[in-house]
Amino acid sequence: DAKTTQPPSMDCAEGRAANLPCNHSTISGNEYVYWYRQIHSQGPQYIIHGLKNNETNEMASLIITEDRKSSTLILPHATLRDTAVYYCIVRVTIQGGSEKLVFGKGTKLTVNP
Amino acid sequence: AAGVIQSPRHLIKEKRETATLKCYPIPRHDTVYWYQQGPGQDPQFLISFYEKMQSDKGSIPDRFSAQQFSDYHSELNMSSLELGDSALYFCASSLRGATGELFFGEGSRLTVL
Repeated sequence: DAKTTQPPSMDCAEGRAANLPCNHSTISGNEYVYWYRQIHSQGPQYIIHGLKNNETNEMASLIITEDRKSSTLILPHATLRDTAVYYCIVRVTIQGGSEKLVFGKGTKLTVNP
Repeated sequence: AAGVIQSPRHLIKEKRETATLKCYPIPRHDTVYWYQQGPGQDPQFLISFYEKMQSDKGSIPDRFSAQQFSDYHSELNMSSLELGDSALYFCASSLRGATGELFFGEGSRLTVL
């Protein structure tokens, strides 16, 4: 089962920052937080991941609370093309190290003109 | 850069027929994952392979089987197809020991009539 909780939907104005929250209160010390997004029926796309430090790349920033029980994905200047379902995933480590992703319900982000 | 290639992109079958989906991972990636996404659903993990050996198994029906070949491509075989098998099937690949992202293909859409 997914180990994260996200709001089912959010709206954001084009050009503004989109802040997507995620709760993962049962996360283990060696589990990473991954964010993926899926634009209508396309393959999920990797955005960013982190362990406990804040991370930033060309797509987004990831803020993880000090207790690691929650995180926020920030899209600094949302565009219409950022409309998608965003998945926050705690990486499940399985025997042998081939770590699958377990998708939860995700947040449907709609960026409005 | 080369991405994950899936074929066919679209497939229409009748009930009780069989279908085979193919996945070509990113070059040098050693792990392949299969996911099923029904209409309006989130991706569900089916099965994964590392170095041609099954590494994890999810909610894959007994009617389905999969394998990874010596060139690392993978095939998902589905028999006795049912209407409920209609879905998008995604393949993803990763490199064990790397930063951990899974890279997804664009999916194969199976329609069972």
